Amino acid sequence: DAGVTQSPTHLIKTRGQHVTLRCSPISGHKSVSWYQQVLGQGPQFIFQYYEKEERGRGNFPDRFSARQFPNYSSELNVNALLLGDSALYLCASSLTSGRSVGELFFGEGSRLTVL
Amino acid sequence: LAKTTQPISMDSYEGQEVNITCSHNNIATNDYITWYQQFPSQGPRFIIQGYKTKVTNEVASLFIPADRKSSTLSLPRVSLSDTAVYYCLVGSNSGYSTLTFGKGTMLLVSP
Repeated sequence: DAGVTQSPTHLIKTRGQHVTLRCSPISGHKSVSWYQQVLGQGPQFIFQYYEKEERGRGNFPDRFSARQFPNYSSELNVNALLLGDSALYLCASSLTSGRSVGELFFGEGSRLTVL
Repeated sequence: LAKTTQPISMDSYEGQEVNITCSHNNIATNDYITWYQQFPSQGPRFIIQGYKTKVTNEVASLFIPADRKSSTLSLPRVSLSDTAVYYCLVGSNSGYSTLTFGKGTMLLVSP
């Protein structure tokens, strides 16, 4: 069975540009979460979506947005990129609705470098 | 939001048992304790989850005392491949979107 897949795996952008990251959850998983991991730090929660609705939002600026599609895949968009946005962006899917604590299945991440 | 405190790093040798303790003094009644493992440039991987007492699976054990203000992840007979960062998370059943990863514990296993 395929795990959580993310694309692209690596990308380089310049300041001010926009980026879209994509995530396909494990088949049957309806919940997708996004995390940002800066080098040397633990993953920081950005968004959670369940059944195409936003269920949670972390402490990130409005430049960060996301959505979930009918097939439960998801996109993370970041506008007006800053150098500090350089990080590994992780997507995680889960069976749970967000109303209970469950196992998160993470993808390999998208490594974003902003120059 | 329950905050967790873990040692920044730990060293061990192959074949030893490793115990990583996590402190979570403000844990709420409905919070579960979950541990993840992360290798460089990979996403975290679920290890074990518990609410109280002891939980054991094929890779680890989780010990939670009665007051639940701390927990200990026990890795039996570690190998070089267990070198990784280990994260302790405390999550409320009001939505696991509130789960917060700390800096984790970097475990280095040497021959």
